[in-house]
Amino acid sequence: GENVEQHPSTLSVQEGDSAVIKCTYSDSASNYFPWYKQELGKRPQLIIDIRSNVGEKKDQRIAVTLNKTAKHFSLHITETQPEDSAVYFCAASITRGKLVFGAGTILRVKS
Amino acid sequence: GAGVSQTPSNKVTEKGKYVELRCDPISGHTALYWYRQSLGQGPEFLIYFQGTGAADDSGLPNDRFFAVRPEGSVSTLKIQRTERGDSAVYLCASSLTLNTEAFFGQGTRLTVV
Repeated sequence: GENVEQHPSTLSVQEGDSAVIKCTYSDSASNYFPWYKQELGKRPQLIIDIRSNVGEKKDQRIAVTLNKTAKHFSLHITETQPEDSAVYFCAASITRGKLVFGAGTILRVKS
Repeated sequence: GAGVSQTPSNKVTEKGKYVELRCDPISGHTALYWYRQSLGQGPEFLIYFQGTGAADDSGLPNDRFFAVRPEGSVSTLKIQRTERGDSAVYLCASSLTLNTEAFFGQGTRLTVV
């Protein structure tokens, strides 16, 4: 089955700097790659996703890149703000519902 | 309601007891998923329903875990003979169909003492 690895496990950045989180997946059949943000004690919320027929997708300060050949994908957050502090999870799947998640990255944005 | 609703929000039970966790999906969503999230980990898939039937229960850890969705809406996750290792946050999600965005509930924090 699918296995997703996520790095780093924690990331501290200064407000205004960029943050990059990387994930690798094992199943070449996976074609859907979402990123979720989870604040303490709250539900995971989808922030951006990408399908395997696209190499990059951007939404304001957030972008995701996908390298199908290498089986890795990354989340890029520019101009980080304190409210970006949360746990971020990547996931991979062949469907949008049954997801295999990475272990998460704790992002701390220092002001 | 507007979102996925899970009850109770917190449940403390003694080892060996039986528990039921309830999920109310977004109205009209045909697909429903259960995940389990342990501290410091990502959500782990347990089971999903398409309508009333369990389409994939490959993530259920053992036969103490069972889930139903008898009318294709509300789902109940049932855990028999609870063990301390079952302690986790149990998340439910629903989506319009299998290949549309899944929305998560707030979860039920289960603590087995």
